[in-house]
Amino acid sequence: DGGITQSPKYLFRKEGQNVTLSCEQNLNHDAMYWYRQDPGQGLRLIYYSQIVNDFQKGDIAEGYSVSREKKESFPLTVTSAQKNPTAFYLCASSIRISTDTQYFGPGTRLTVL
Amino acid sequence: KQEVTQIPAALSVPEGENLVLNCSFTDSAIYNLQWFRQDPGKGLTSLLLIQSSQREQTSGRLNASLDKSSGRSTLYIAASQPGDSATYLCAVSPNSGNTPLVFGKGTRLSVIA
Repeated sequence: DGGITQSPKYLFRKEGQNVTLSCEQNLNHDAMYWYRQDPGQGLRLIYYSQIVNDFQKGDIAEGYSVSREKKESFPLTVTSAQKNPTAFYLCASSIRISTDTQYFGPGTRLTVL
Repeated sequence: KQEVTQIPAALSVPEGENLVLNCSFTDSAIYNLQWFRQDPGKGLTSLLLIQSSQREQTSGRLNASLDKSSGRSTLYIAASQPGDSATYLCAVSPNSGNTPLVFGKGTRLSVIA
């Protein structure tokens, strides 16, 4: 059963702590993406990766970090430097950047206590 | 910089009505345009992808049109049903190559039984 999985679905974090969100895909896609969604603001791109061992900053990369050591995995770390991390985080993938349909995971809702 | 606008932000219609959702973009140099659906608290699901050389795409009760020269796309939903209630997002793929999708903020649709 192919698709994108994100875990956990809900995540709670104390202020000042780093936290890592998981994203895994078995679609054999080269491109992967992380978005942040806040009410009324639409999707904002955090980071994207075109291929293994390569990634680029999106529009709101400050306070976040990523790695792409394997084709199927693109974890996102929310660091303590991110001033307002409470949001809904979505991971997506596509065969290539932009030219193909993007497939999205179910999302992780992060709440900072 | 490419900007995507969706108007209205929210729409409420009675069941059975045909409706049109609008999407406009500022730069006509696009590779394709995609429409997505998002249910509350979920990820996005791809509905239709229109290549820049195409004028429209159809899937069931959905029909998406593209007028690249005027920077506009519409999503037509025929015979709306309560199950169509969701947020619909439009996204364009810039023609500059290797650049991620640019999303609109979406139109929240409510179909009242």
